Amino acid sequence: EMQLVESGGGLVQPGGSLRLSCAASGFSFSTSWMTWVRQAPGKGLEWVANINQGGSEKYYVDSVKGRFTISRDNAKNSLYLQMNSLRAEDTAVYYCARGHYDMGVWGQGTTVTVYS
Amino acid sequence: DIVMTQSPDSLAVSLGERATINCKSSQSVLYSSNNRNYLAWYQQKPGQPPKLLVNWASTRASGVPERFSGSGSGTDFTLTISSLQAEDVAVYYCQQYYDWPRTFGQGSRLDIE
Repeated sequence: EMQLVESGGGLVQPGGSLRLSCAASGFSFSTSWMTWVRQAPGKGLEWVANINQGGSEKYYVDSVKGRFTISRDNAKNSLYLQMNSLRAEDTAVYYCARGHYDMGVWGQGTTVTVYS
Repeated sequence: DIVMTQSPDSLAVSLGERATINCKSSQSVLYSSNNRNYLAWYQQKPGQPPKLLVNWASTRASGVPERFSGSGSGTDFTLTISSLQAEDVAVYYCQQYYDWPRTFGQGSRLDIE
């Protein structure tokens, strides 16, 4: 069974940092593009970032450029999202997903709350 | 950025009836070299992650019931549920993958009438 499990969410003050992780199993992680998508409370879905199989191509939504960094460790079947200079508007459930066109496998999400 | 606009924002349909959700993109998501529309549909139930229903505008994902179908091309797309079941109550999103940033529609909430 293909599975993605996110971790690392929590409460953080504005300006703080968090590192999200996503552990993959049941599929070939090293040959898969991966994605982070977020969903603010009561709101819709927002694509955050993509990374290619080897980590050489990365794409970000404008609102996180320069603050968030997507990365991966294929040896550990893991995807990461380093989030710096966090703002209240970054409060959301963060999902990792497989793919960079459509996204066919999703994790359950991890919640990030930025509070002052 | 490609803006995806769904309509309606919410709808209520009787069990067994047809439900139709529309999605319009601000520019074409049809890639001329392969004649494919770079558009997907997702279903999200409360407290759950999204689930892929349709990709390439009209290809049902594995395991998705036949009552779900996608259609359209270029800038105008439709998700149709042919005979609404109780378990179809959810929010539905379209998403384009023609260009970065990937963008979603605002969502359409479907309830039982």
